[in-house]
Amino acid sequence: DTAVSQTPKYLVTQMGNDKSIKCEQNLGHDTMYWYKQDSKKFLKIMFSYNNKELIINETVPNRFSPKSPDKAHLNLHINSLELGDSAVYFCASSQDLAEDDWETQYFGPGTRLLVL
Amino acid sequence: KQEVTQIPAALSVPEGENLVLNCSFTDSAIYNLQWFRQDPGKGLTSLLLIQSSQREQTSGRLNASLDKSSGRSTLYIAASQPGDSATYLCAVFPRGFQKLVFGTGTRLLVSP
Repeated sequence: DTAVSQTPKYLVTQMGNDKSIKCEQNLGHDTMYWYKQDSKKFLKIMFSYNNKELIINETVPNRFSPKSPDKAHLNLHINSLELGDSAVYFCASSQDLAEDDWETQYFGPGTRLLVL
Repeated sequence: KQEVTQIPAALSVPEGENLVLNCSFTDSAIYNLQWFRQDPGKGLTSLLLIQSSQREQTSGRLNASLDKSSGRSTLYIAASQPGDSATYLCAVFPRGFQKLVFGTGTRLLVSP
């Protein structure tokens, strides 16, 4: 029973194309995230959603548009793909239990995007 | 701006050794600090989470400490095994921000 799942696992596409990555969590969490891991393996937040509402947009180009149809899903649509978008994209979710009591984040397996 | 640094960047040890991975962060205003493990081509697995009010957490052969005032955390791995080989990532959850800020990672290789 996968807690956080992403599809597809691999994505190879041409520059200029539009693509989507889907994420689903079955943990009942309120908050979901998208992270990008670059070629140097550095992980950085892109977006954070809480109960379908955008909380964080970390200076990501507007070619990237997250969409949360319900609190269990957070999809990432990318327009006009560029070479520099090649990376591994991770979805994650967590539950804020109280003001100072954030639970750990659970990560999906990642989507490896290669733009040619 | 919160920055997280991990030292060393890579570590190679023989099986059975005890080892320490280091993490430092620039802003002590955090909700918690987490240690993750990432295997090649895989996602992240949470190892330990230390709330800001705690000083350490233990799970099996792993022990993580947190010194918020000095901006440091260590992950201690006892009696290392080849299966411990992976990249270990430290991340802090800054107060006022719903996101994790990750360190640069330590790539660990434990040889039989």
